[in-house]
Amino acid sequence: EVQLVESGGGLVQPGGSLRLSCAASGFIFSSYSLSWVRQAPGKRLEWISYISHSGATIHYADSVKGRFTISRDNAKNSLYLQMNSLGDEDTAVYFCARDIQFQHWGQGTLVTVSS
Amino acid sequence: DIQMTQSPSLLSASVGDRVTITCRASQDISNYLAWFQQKPGKAPKSLIYAASTLQSGVPSRFSGSGSGTDFTLAISSLQPEDFATYYCQHYNGYPFTFGQGTKLEIK
Repeated sequence: EVQLVESGGGLVQPGGSLRLSCAASGFIFSSYSLSWVRQAPGKRLEWISYISHSGATIHYADSVKGRFTISRDNAKNSLYLQMNSLGDEDTAVYFCARDIQFQHWGQGTLVTVSS
Repeated sequence: DIQMTQSPSLLSASVGDRVTITCRASQDISNYLAWFQQKPGKAPKSLIYAASTLQSGVPSRFSGSGSGTDFTLAISSLQPEDFATYYCQHYNGYPFTFGQGTKLEIK
């Protein structure tokens, strides 16, 4: 069974940093691309970053470019999102999702940016 | 960026009804279109990808159609567990974008 489990969310002050993780199991991790998708309270889903199966290709949404960094460790079956310079607009549940069709999702981790 | 617009935003229906949700892309996306179901406090669930391919395990009462800019999600006979919010999403280049969602509520 495919499983994606996010962790690392929490309360952070404006301007602060946080690192999210997504632990994967049930599939050959190194064969699949992954993305981070977030959802602010009461808002639509927003794709924010993509990484190819090897990590060689990366894309970001303009809303996070220059502040967030996606990475992966295929030896550890793990995906990461380093988030810097966080603002109120980054408050959301963050999901990791597999492949470009987003066929599998994690349960999400809540990031709250507040002073 | 490609904009995805769903209609309606709110849909009231009864168990057993057939309903359709439409999704329009601001430019041609071929068939690079997915549909998701989301219930409150839960992660989205993949229903359909490539505009019309049913995800494994999804009931056959769900179907998708369309190509280019206009797409439809149909549910042939609503079941109580189908009341949720539905999103379309394109993956024809970056950034991927989602529709604003259609909330399907019980009439």
